[in-house]
Formats: sequence, C-alpha cells, structure tokens
Amino acid sequence: DADVTQTPRNRITKTGKRIMLECSQTKGHDRMYWYRQDPGLGLRLIYYSFDVKDINKGEISDGYSVSRQAQAKFSLSLESAIPNQTALYFCATSEPPNTGELFFGEGSRLTVL
Amino acid sequence: AQSVTQLGSHVSVSEGALVLLRCNYSSSVPPYLFWYVQYPNQGLQLLLKYTTGATLVKGINGFEAEFKKSETSFHLTKPSAHMSDAAEYFCAVGFGGYQKVTFGIGTKLQVIP
Repeated sequence: DADVTQTPRNRITKTGKRIMLECSQTKGHDRMYWYRQDPGLGLRLIYYSFDVKDINKGEISDGYSVSRQAQAKFSLSLESAIPNQTALYFCATSEPPNTGELFFGEGSRLTVL
Repeated sequence: AQSVTQLGSHVSVSEGALVLLRCNYSSSVPPYLFWYVQYPNQGLQLLLKYTTGATLVKGINGFEAEFKKSETSFHLTKPSAHMSDAAEYFCAVGFGGYQKVTFGIGTKLQVIP
C-alpha cells in the first residue's frame, strides 16, 4: 500500500459543485501539503500544515480550503468549483529536520466542466 | 524569494546518449536543491538532493547532479539514457527551517530508440 494515499484518483464535476479531495498518510509525518500541477506551470503550493493546529496558505490558496482532521489526514476542498481549477492535485508529506524532501501521493485528477 | 528556472520544457535524446537537464536557481540564502521524477500517471519521487557537503550528488537510476554556487546551477546528468528514463523531471529549491519548496516548470524527457 502507498504511504500517501489520495482519494479520489479521478473526478469529473460541474461548475459550482463542492468537491473534497482527501489525503491520508502512514509515514507518521507531521507536515502535509497540497500542490496543484498544471502543464507548463510546474507545481504550485495551495496550503500546508505543520501539525493539526497549524495551517498556512500557500501561493494559490484563493478558492480552496483545507482541514487537518488528524496527523494522518489532510483534506482539500473546493467550495464552488470553477473550470480553471481543472488540474492534477498532489498531497505530500515531510518530516523534520526539514530539508524540503517531500513524499507525494499519486495525485487526484480533477476536471471541472 | 527563491525561484527555479528549468531550461527546455521538452528534451529528446537517443537511447544510450548523454542526458543533460538544466536547472538554475535563485535564493537569498544557501539553498537545498532537489530533482524529482514523475512517471506517467504517478506522483513525484525524489531522484536526488543536495543539502550540504559534497557538491556532486548521486541519485537513483544512475543520475547525478552537481551544485555550482558560482553559476547558481544544479544540472542533472546521466551518461547513457535508457528507454525507462522517459518521464518528466522537476528541479526544486528549498532551504533549511523553511517549509516551502519551489518547483520549476518541469522538463519532459523523451528517449528515442
């Protein structure tokens, strides 16, 4: 089984719908991240969490929210999806001492029609 | 602020030829540098990293990279390309104690038989 698991792996939805992407990890890491990947733009950080009580915005947090339900679980929500949120979303984890090494899930491909 | 520039969004090499993927960075403090690889329909996995110490770092699958501070570069090389090396490669920069890792836009490597 994967150390970082994302669900769903693929989702097609309509504009205006609420969507939740879930991430769970068995690595025991405190730090979790949500990235978005778009062709030609690389990966951009949406939100990150140092622990259950600490959540921080990344560079493109508008239109997204997150919830850290437990050390192992970090969910990303799109309250009202729009077509330009169509992308591949990755959850990642890391552990201190922080060298920046990230451990990624397999991604959730979201299409907003 | 930190940033990463990957030169060439697509690179094609013949099987058995040298692989050279270019990465330049900017950082106001000594950086940690990474190369990640993404195979089709998979998440990113760490190929190699530079934190401190030896500037020539070796990674998995025969890849290596050299940190050149004077040139602000961290180019990825492999002496002989294999068909299985076809993937997208991301250069990334971060630094100790800071949680944010900045990714380049990625370079898709095509290996021609």
